[in-house]
Amino acid sequence: SQTIHQWPATLVQPVGSPLSLECTVEGTSNPNLYWYRQAAGRGLQLLFYSVGIGQISSEVPQNLSASRPQDRQFILSSKKLLLSDSGFYLCAWSVWDSGVYGYTFGSGTRLTVV
Amino acid sequence: GESVGLHLPTLSVQEGDNSIINCAYSNSASDYFIWYKQESGKGPQFIIDIRSNMDKRQGQRVTVLLNKTVKHLSLQIAATQPGDSAVYFCAEKETSGSRLTFGEGTQLTVNP
Repeated sequence: SQTIHQWPATLVQPVGSPLSLECTVEGTSNPNLYWYRQAAGRGLQLLFYSVGIGQISSEVPQNLSASRPQDRQFILSSKKLLLSDSGFYLCAWSVWDSGVYGYTFGSGTRLTVV
Repeated sequence: GESVGLHLPTLSVQEGDNSIINCAYSNSASDYFIWYKQESGKGPQFIIDIRSNMDKRQGQRVTVLLNKTVKHLSLQIAATQPGDSAVYFCAEKETSGSRLTFGEGTQLTVNP
């Protein structure tokens, strides 16, 4: 079966510290991968998406970057966190499988920058 | 497009009532639509989908209606229960693409 793993579930980091959030997908190959951010009581903001290894598209210029070192691994990073980077970060994948389209979210990481 | 900077609209219903959550989309090239449910602190979960060649699809206690003429999508929840309290997002996909465009979301609160 197809699953998506995202960790950690919660993270508290000081301002100016680095960040690395990881997302991995199982049970599928060559998925499109996405990073979203969601502020409290707000909608979903697409940050990055990737259609393949090493291919990253940025939707919103900011203090974050993304990388895709392997087909089923997507990493969200920052060199120096800002208070405004706090939020709920969601990874997602999409894939066409036998004519069926799937778009699935991970469980999210709650990031608090202090 | 995405209204990520706005507070979510809210809908409050009594337990046992039917709920209707509405969504307007703007892209006439969209051919596939999904409704997601997001409980507090969790990722959005798939509820039901519908393709543009349909105008109605039913699941367990949920029905999605699609009106392509006015670009409107709705989610109907029958006999709403406290466990249905969550934020509900609609999403659309273009025929030629793989990304989803999400609506602003609606906070559903079910009162006992």
